Parts: sequence; structure tokens; C-alpha cells
Amino acid sequence: AQKITQTQPGMFVQEKEAVTLDCTYDTSDPSYGLFWYKQPSSGEMIFLIYQGSYDQQNATEGRYSLNFQKARKSANLVISASQLGDSAMYFCAMREGIGGKLIFGQGTELSVKP
Amino acid sequence: GAVVSQHPSRVICKSGTSVKIECRSLDFQATTMFWYRQFPKKSLMLMATSNEGSKATYEQGVEKDKFLINHASLTLSTLTVTSAHPEDSSFYICSALWREAGKNIQYFGAGTRLSVL
Repeated sequence: AQKITQTQPGMFVQEKEAVTLDCTYDTSDPSYGLFWYKQPSSGEMIFLIYQGSYDQQNATEGRYSLNFQKARKSANLVISASQLGDSAMYFCAMREGIGGKLIFGQGTELSVKP
Repeated sequence: GAVVSQHPSRVICKSGTSVKIECRSLDFQATTMFWYRQFPKKSLMLMATSNEGSKATYEQGVEKDKFLINHASLTLSTLTVTSAHPEDSSFYICSALWREAGKNIQYFGAGTRLSVL
């Protein structure tokens, strides 16, 4: 079974609007971390945001926020006020336990329309 | 965020030659680094975990004699693709693990696009 699932292969959003990228995960470990990365066409992986399983509040970093719903095992990324430069692949990832190894989802390709 | 440098960004080589890729953490010490391979329009596939001063841990199906990993210092890990063949052509990307307050965030290099002729 997939441990990290991103069900949206591609998404479109109008510039300046908000967009939500979905991510669900599956783990029995009570301690885990959830991450979102952005990969532009240049290939680099850019760390966006982190949510720990014991964190009480949803993580936020500038225009990025993580909608963490623990009971539903979802960790959706919300990008507010989309910009053309947000067009990229977005990967959700999970770390189980205290180790550093990440499990990545299949990715969502976001296209921002002017 | 932390900075990870990867070099070269692109390499073209002849079949049978070896290629070395470097991954450096520029502003922090990384006892653990990771090497990934990515096919077009696909997710990242972990190849191996590189630990400073010890042997790398390879994922199932990854040939350790083919993909040699060395992590000789706290800021440098190298991946050598030995006797490269066209099927080794791919995008290789490294990351360094930044440990802080239990977050353990991987920061990535810019990747290396390898083309084997």
C-alpha cells in the first residue's frame, strides 16, 4: 500500500487565487514528520514546510500553510495568492520515527495561469 | 534554510567511463546525506543513505558496486557511477540532513543530469 498518496497529477490555478494540493499518508508510527517540497523545471528540490505529528498547530511559512488533519491522515498544502513562479511539481513526503529517511508521494504538477 | 551544493549540474560521458558527483553542505555539518535518482515525470527514488565515516546503506535493488558512495567528511558526500551505461542516464539528486529540534529536514542540492552516450 502507498504510504504517501497525492491524488492530483495536475492542477491549474488562476494567478492570485489560493490552491490546495492534497496529500494523505499511512503510518502506524505515532512519531512522524510531514514535508512539502517544490521542484521547478530546473530540477532542484526546495523545502517549503514541515509538520510534526505532535505539533498542535498547523504549520505556516509565508504563503504556504499545511492543513494537518491527523485523524484523517491528511496533510494538504495550501498556497495563498498564487504567483506565476509557483508553477512547479510539488511533492509531499513523510518521515517515520526519528530517522531521516523520507517517503515521497507521486507529485502534483501545479500550473498558475496569468 | 540550509544550503547544499551539488556538482556538476550536467555531465555527458561515454559508455564505460566513470562519473563522480559531489554533494556538499555549505553552512552546516551533515553526518547523514542521501542520494536519489529521478526519472522524468516521476517521484524521487532513494538509492542510498550516506553516513559520515561509515559505509553507505543501499536500498534494495541498488548495486553498491555500480554506485559507489563515499562520505569522508561532515560536509561532503560523493557518488561515483562506475562503468556507466546508457541505462544509467538519469537525474541524480542529493540531500543533506539538517537536524534541529527533532525536525530532521533534508535540504537538497540542485541535481545532476547524467547522459551516457
